[in-house]
Amino acid sequence: DQQVKQNSPSLSVQEGRISILNCDYTNSMFDYFLWYKKYPAEGPTFLISISSIKDKNEDGRFTVFLNKSAKHLSLHIVPSQPGDSAVYFCAARTGRGGSEKLVFGKGTKLTVNP
Amino acid sequence: ETGVTQTPRHLVMGMTNKKSLKCEQHLGHNAMYWYKQSAKKPLELMFVYNFKEQTENNSVPSRFSPECPNSSHLFLHLHTLQPEDSALYLCASSQDGGGSSYEQYFGPGTRLTVT
Repeated sequence: DQQVKQNSPSLSVQEGRISILNCDYTNSMFDYFLWYKKYPAEGPTFLISISSIKDKNEDGRFTVFLNKSAKHLSLHIVPSQPGDSAVYFCAARTGRGGSEKLVFGKGTKLTVNP
Repeated sequence: ETGVTQTPRHLVMGMTNKKSLKCEQHLGHNAMYWYKQSAKKPLELMFVYNFKEQTENNSVPSRFSPECPNSSHLFLHLHTLQPEDSALYLCASSQDGGGSSYEQYFGPGTRLTVT
């Protein structure tokens, strides 16, 4: 039973437009959410995060929105650039005091076309 | 070396072989993790070590045996694997102990093929 779901395996957008990647979760005990980006032949790299007590966090071109009542978060990339083409993973944190762990979604492959 | 390194990057092994994957983190972190990524599946957490002590074993078969001699090094010993164990094995580290975020830093992974 997947606790973190990314229902779109792929997304294609034009350079300069907005990319919106979505993530749904089922566990209301998650207290932190993160987005990771992964290029081929590399490990995932941390992109941006949001605490469950907030509804928005912005870092440059990247903004993450959290809707707790809908158990939904999204990552907005504006403007999208070809270098943003990668697989994006949504992750959620559970646990406390040294036993924290992350639960990942399957990922969404973003392609930004020039 | 910086960040999290993993060796080897690629490994092909037979079902009767014994091999080990190595991970080293140069970030001064106190927690290390092994993940498995199979095709079309989410990253699956396998093991967690916090200050060299194993704090999580996510129902991993005994043919996978982790070892954490210190906070900077993590090994995954493999023996009598099955073809379905073929996957990308990722190591990660983090600075645990609370705080406002929980960023794990990943290595590039070892692509394992079991024949």
